[in-house]
Amino acid sequence: AQKITQTQPGMFVQEKEAVTLDCTYDTSDQSYGLFWYKQPSSGEMIFLIYQGSYDEQNATEGRYSLNFQKARKSANLVISASQLGDSAMYFCAMRPLNSGNTPLVFGKGTRLSVIA
Amino acid sequence: GAVVSQHPSRVICKSGTSVKIECRSLDFQATTMFWYRQFPKQSLMLMATSNEGSKATYEQGVEKDKFLINHASLTLSTLTVTSAHPEDSSFYICSARASTFSTDTQYFGPGTRLTVL
Repeated sequence: AQKITQTQPGMFVQEKEAVTLDCTYDTSDQSYGLFWYKQPSSGEMIFLIYQGSYDEQNATEGRYSLNFQKARKSANLVISASQLGDSAMYFCAMRPLNSGNTPLVFGKGTRLSVIA
Repeated sequence: GAVVSQHPSRVICKSGTSVKIECRSLDFQATTMFWYRQFPKQSLMLMATSNEGSKATYEQGVEKDKFLINHASLTLSTLTVTSAHPEDSSFYICSARASTFSTDTQYFGPGTRLTVL
């Protein structure tokens, strides 16, 4: 079984500052993928970034980077230069790779509020 | 990223009626589609997984006769909430995945907010 833990129900960050959203996971799979999604108030789930368990380098996508520490089973999302539009719910998720139809397992989410 | 559409975005219906929600992958063929339900301020709860041309696999506690899923083609899946009741009011989100994606990412539709009166 897989489990995602997001321990921060809510976070505040000043505009233009960087913020780290925590995510730890538990799995017995050797090969897995880690994902972060953003959900603004409109409800849509926006894919942000992906990290494969086999990737040696941390993933980056624009202002988003994933701090992947495999030994600690953590996959924290770092948002640099926060913008007001970054205010949203953020979900960490994972799934085993090469496992057919296995769906994503989601954490409970972190609500980020960016303050002007 | 890949585009998934969902229709309608909002629906209000009377108790006892049925509601159909469509989920389409617009620029890729979705080998697998997922249906989620989300209550306010909570995470996504997986309802069922469907593959084109085969029966959906429902999660424990989800009534398959109440939530009918049809994955008719590689670009279309539908969720029908039959004999809807107020407790079925929720946000329903579909998600699609293609094995051809290098990262095997799931892309989500914009969601459907169902209100049953």
